[in-house]
This record gives sequence, C-alpha cells and structure tokens, in this order.
Amino acid sequence: QVQLVESGGGLVQPGGSLRLSCAASGFTFGDYYMTWIRQAPGKGLDWVSYISSSSSYTNYADSVKGRFTISRDNAKNSLYLQMNSLRAEDTAVYYCARGKQPHKYIYGIDVWGQGTTVTVSS
Amino acid sequence: DIQMTQSPSSLSASVGDRVTITCRASQSISNYLNWYQQRPGKAPKLLMYAASSLQSGVPPRFSGSGSGTDFTLTISSLQPEDFATYYCQQSYSTPQTFGQGTKVEIK
Repeated sequence: QVQLVESGGGLVQPGGSLRLSCAASGFTFGDYYMTWIRQAPGKGLDWVSYISSSSSYTNYADSVKGRFTISRDNAKNSLYLQMNSLRAEDTAVYYCARGKQPHKYIYGIDVWGQGTTVTVSS
Repeated sequence: DIQMTQSPSSLSASVGDRVTITCRASQSISNYLNWYQQRPGKAPKLLMYAASSLQSGVPPRFSGSGSGTDFTLTISSLQPEDFATYYCQQSYSTPQTFGQGTKVEIK
C-alpha cells in the first residue's frame, strides 16, 4: 500500500543539526512532488518546504530559508530534510507528505507519514 | 504570503447537526483550496481539494464550496468520528499556507 515513513527525529541542542528521512513505498515516487509540513505541540499545521518530482524546483517557508535544505533520491524512493542552525521554535512533529497529482502541486496533499518528532532544547 | 483565516476557531455540536466552517484568503486563490481533517495524535487527512472535489474514500456528507477568497466546508450530518480539527490550505502559491484550524467538539 502507499506509505511514507519518516525517521531521524530526536533531541538536539539549539544551533545543532538534524537530518530527517522519509521512505516512500507503494507508488512511483519519482512522479510526485513531495513536501515537509510541521506541527508544533498544540499548534496548527505549518508548511515548511517542497521539492518537485525531478528536484528541479524547491521552495521554503521564510522561517526556515537558509537553514533547511530539502532533497530527494528517486532511485532510493527517499526524501530528506537537512536542518541546520536549529532553534527552539523548530520543535515540532515533522510530516513527510505527497502532492496529490503526479508532476503537479496544486491539488492538496493526499498521503502523509506518521510524523517524526524534533525537539530543540538545551 | 497568502494568509488563511478560518472561523470559528472552535465549535460545539451534536451528532446529526449540520456544521459549516468558513475559510477566507487574504487574496484571490481561484479554487486552489483544500480541506483536511486531523484527529488527535494522527496525521491530517485530505477531505476536499480544488474547493469542491471530494477526495476518494471520504463520505459524501462532506462538501465544499467557494471561489476567489471565501470558502466553506459543510458536514451535512455530524457523525461521532467527525469530531476533530479541520484545516483549510491554499495551493495557489508557495508557501502553501494553512488556516489556524477549527476544532469541532461534542456538545
């Protein structure tokens, strides 16, 4: 079945780095835009970044621009988020998610992982 | 960035009630508006896309409408499993911003 499984979360000190991974299965990974969305404890959903199917296009929320880098390896069916210079306000559950339509990013996000928790604290 | 504003922030309703949630965009987004349901401790689930298209597998008691800046999500007859938080999201431009959420609670 279609599935996304995140890993790599954990406790990190302010200023530290973390790399999240997302393993995809059950669909042709290379056909879909992928995105990272986060949710701070008790808060709403916060769009973080997206990457196009062929990695040609990426975009970031202003809050993470210059600190986070999204990437993918279509041969390994994997999505990544490299997070540097982490701050307390980056503490959240990070979801890996798939754009609904192949090669487009305009019709919502139809597949979500279970999330991985990132805690930034000293 | 496009700001998305939902109302109300929370509501109390009974099983069988008709419930309407509204979402307003800070500028026109055509029909690039999506709705999600999130139950506690779970990942969000896509309900509606393109403002009024029902996602596969979602019960037809859910419907969406609107275009431009004003949108609504309607649950025609609230069921026990519908008590959750609902989010709108614009997919017109990046960042694809979300509304702040509407929590639907049991009266």
